[in-house]
Formats: sequence, C-alpha cells, structure tokens
Amino acid sequence: KQEVTQIPAALSVPEGENLVLNCSFTDSAIYNLQWFRQDPGKGLTSLLLIQSSQREQTSGRLNASLDKSSGRSTLYIAASQPGDSATYLCAVRKAGTALIFGKGTTLSVSS
Amino acid sequence: DTGVSQNPRHKITKRGQNVTFRCDPISEHNRLYWYRQTLGQGPEFLTYFQNEAQLEKSRLLSDRFSAERPKGSFSTLEIQRTEQGDSAMYLCASSREHYNEQFFGPGTRLTVL
Repeated sequence: KQEVTQIPAALSVPEGENLVLNCSFTDSAIYNLQWFRQDPGKGLTSLLLIQSSQREQTSGRLNASLDKSSGRSTLYIAASQPGDSATYLCAVRKAGTALIFGKGTTLSVSS
Repeated sequence: DTGVSQNPRHKITKRGQNVTFRCDPISEHNRLYWYRQTLGQGPEFLTYFQNEAQLEKSRLLSDRFSAERPKGSFSTLEIQRTEQGDSAMYLCASSREHYNEQFFGPGTRLTVL
C-alpha cells in the first residue's frame, strides 16, 4: 500500500529565507507527483506536476525535484514571503485513479 | 478557464438528514474526482468519473453515499442519513486526461450536528 510522508509537519521561518519541504513515498512505481498549496479552509491550488520521467520542475520561486528510485521529492521555495504561509501537500499517483496525499507541511513565514 | 466550482461552500445539517453537493468541473475536462478531507489530514479519494461513467469507488464510500454525473458535465454527491463522522471538507477535482494535472475546487465544508 502506497504511503506518503511529509516532513516536517510544521515549519516557521523569517521572511527571505530559502527553504525545503520534503515528501517521501513507499512505492517508487509512480506515474507522477503533484505539489499543492492549501490556505486555511480553502481548496487546493496546484503548484507543480512532475512526471515520473522528469527530475525537476520549476515555477517562479518554486522548484520541485523527484528521485523516484529513492521515493523522495523536495519542494524548494526561494526567498520566502509572508504570502507563502499555507499548508503544502504532495500527492503521488500510481497505476489506478487516485492521488494519494501526505498530511502536509504547514509553513509560516514571518515578516 | 473558470476553474472548478462547488456549491454550497458550507452546509450545516442535523444527524439523519440527507445532503447533496454539486461540482462543476473545468469545461473541457472529462475526468472528475471526489475527495474527502478531515482536519489535519490530506484528502482521501472517494470516487472518479470518466465522462458520465463512474469508474471507481473507494471503500470509504459507504452505501449512504452516492455520486452521479448524468451528462458528463457537473456531478452531485449525496449523503443519506448523515452521521457526525461525515463532517469534513468535500473536494472535487477535474483533469483533462487520466494522468494529467488535477485541478481542485474550493470545497464544501459539511458540519453534522
């Protein structure tokens, strides 16, 4: 059974810091991995999608990497801002339909 | 592209009542997914449609839950005889193809008293 773990569960940083969020999954036979952002009480906003054949994807200040063989992905946020404060979720997709999510990392960026 | 929309955004009901939620996916997306999220957890898959066909249901989807997508456009999720344990955020997502990026709606927060 695929399990997704996100470490740390919570992170507090001052504005301007670069930071890394970690995601690990137990079964490396995935089709893709997706990172999401969720603000309190809101739905999910897709940030980046990495196909299993890719090593990384970049969007603005965000960079996500994927090491399928070791079952790991990282989300790098450069020059963090208070507006980045949210919960970040990673999800993997295997053969089949469902995205399997981790519990998320709650990020707080102070000004 | 107006995004995925869900209605209502909030629903408070008494135990034993029936509730129905609606999801309107992005117009050209033929895949539609329902997830449930409880506090402090990631979303959990409930069911999936390709056009009007319901192709997969999770074991989380008890007999009290039913979902439809009658014309392959919007979808409804009905919960009969609600229980307090049904209190959660119900999220809808859509994608163009099966392994493409999924886009989520704002969710419907259900509170069962």
